[in-house]
Amino acid sequence: KNEVEQSPQNLTAQEGEFITINCSYSVGISALHWLQQHPGGGIVSLFMLSSGKKKHGRLIATINIQEKHSSLHITASHPRDSAVYICAVRTNTGNQFYFGTGTSLTVIP
Amino acid sequence: NAGVTQTPKFQVLKTGQSMTLQCAQDMNHNSMYWYRQDPGMGLRLIYYSASEGTTDKGEVPNGYNVSRLNKREFSLRLESAAPSQTSVYFCATGQQIYGYTFGSGTRLTVV
Repeated sequence: KNEVEQSPQNLTAQEGEFITINCSYSVGISALHWLQQHPGGGIVSLFMLSSGKKKHGRLIATINIQEKHSSLHITASHPRDSAVYICAVRTNTGNQFYFGTGTSLTVIP
Repeated sequence: NAGVTQTPKFQVLKTGQSMTLQCAQDMNHNSMYWYRQDPGMGLRLIYYSASEGTTDKGEVPNGYNVSRLNKREFSLRLESAAPSQTSVYFCATGQQIYGYTFGSGTRLTVV
């Protein structure tokens, strides 16, 4: 049983396409994080959300607390967006974190 | 530059050998974490430290020990390495309202 499920597992898009990655979770949370891991392995924190929506450049993250669901959108995708995107949640009952297995995105020129 | 520094980046151990992974942060954060990342399983929390002088077990602590030496440093020790501990290890630090910063990872192979 995975506390955090992501879909799709793999995604290939043409440059310029609008991309959506989904994350569903089954535990009560205090915050949800979207992380980006590039082929070299480094992990970068993109967003931390507890409600609503956040935008940073071409990236938009939304969360629906009632439905226990979050989405990460990339507008006007570019090959440099190719990476693994990971959803992570921090529970509201302690210092526990759960991670999704990631969505591998490839953007083709 | 502010961030999280992890050493070493790569390590090969023989079964039964010991080693310590080092992590240092200069972001003045209270919380520090050690994760392992295995194919198809996502990141899993090994140990964390909510503040200097405290450590707690995460999801997969068996076979590991940690030390929070001071606010900056949080080390992970493998006393007797096993092939099942072959993984990529990440240190992270963060404050709840500010998000988290990860180290660049340590790729460990136990043969």
